[in-house]
Amino acid sequence: QKEVEQNSGPLSVPEGAIASLNCTYSDRVSQSFFWYRQYSGKSPELIMSIYSNGDKEDGRFTAQLNKASQYVSLLIRDSQPSDSATYLCALGGNTGFQKLVFGTGTRLLVSP
Amino acid sequence: AAGVIQSPRHLIKEKRETATLKCYPIPRHDTVYWYQQGPGQDPQFLISFYEKMQSDKGSIPDRFSAQQFSDYHSELNMSSLELGDSALYFCASSLAGGRGLDTQYFGPGTRLTVL
Repeated sequence: QKEVEQNSGPLSVPEGAIASLNCTYSDRVSQSFFWYRQYSGKSPELIMSIYSNGDKEDGRFTAQLNKASQYVSLLIRDSQPSDSATYLCALGGNTGFQKLVFGTGTRLLVSP
Repeated sequence: AAGVIQSPRHLIKEKRETATLKCYPIPRHDTVYWYQQGPGQDPQFLISFYEKMQSDKGSIPDRFSAQQFSDYHSELNMSSLELGDSALYFCASSLAGGRGLDTQYFGPGTRLTVL
């Protein structure tokens, strides 16, 4: 079983709606959590990082972390067609220079 | 702001040939990571270096080797290439030191095609 689980999608939402992306993980040691956005054939682009339980907001993006339930989510408000991409959930370690373990990604489609 | 630089961006090789991929981290970043992403797959960790020493090793084939140089750039050397090595290879860099500083930023990648 993969350490990081994501629904592969596609998740389809209309423009202007809220997109909700979810990720569950099995490694209780991880202390750092990341959301990356990846367009087809391009490199992963950092959207959010979160380390503590609760919510973290940055513009239209809100990351939520619940370590007891071992899930992390990403909300995208006022979704735009340009948000259409694959969103990768990634787990880091609890110290510096530790590898990222990625989920398989959720493909988001925002229709105009 | 300066980003991670990778070269070449595209590389076509024949089976059993050798390839060298280069990565130049963000200035002042001391840690470099290499990931391999096959078609339709998520990035898989290969190897990382901190202050020119190997810090972690993932599912990297014995045919591959890597190192980090004194200027912190890194090279991934791939020998006896196989068709299955065709993939996107990403380099990422970070500034080690714990929470908030270990965020990895990815380069544009090298697309390797083995014929």
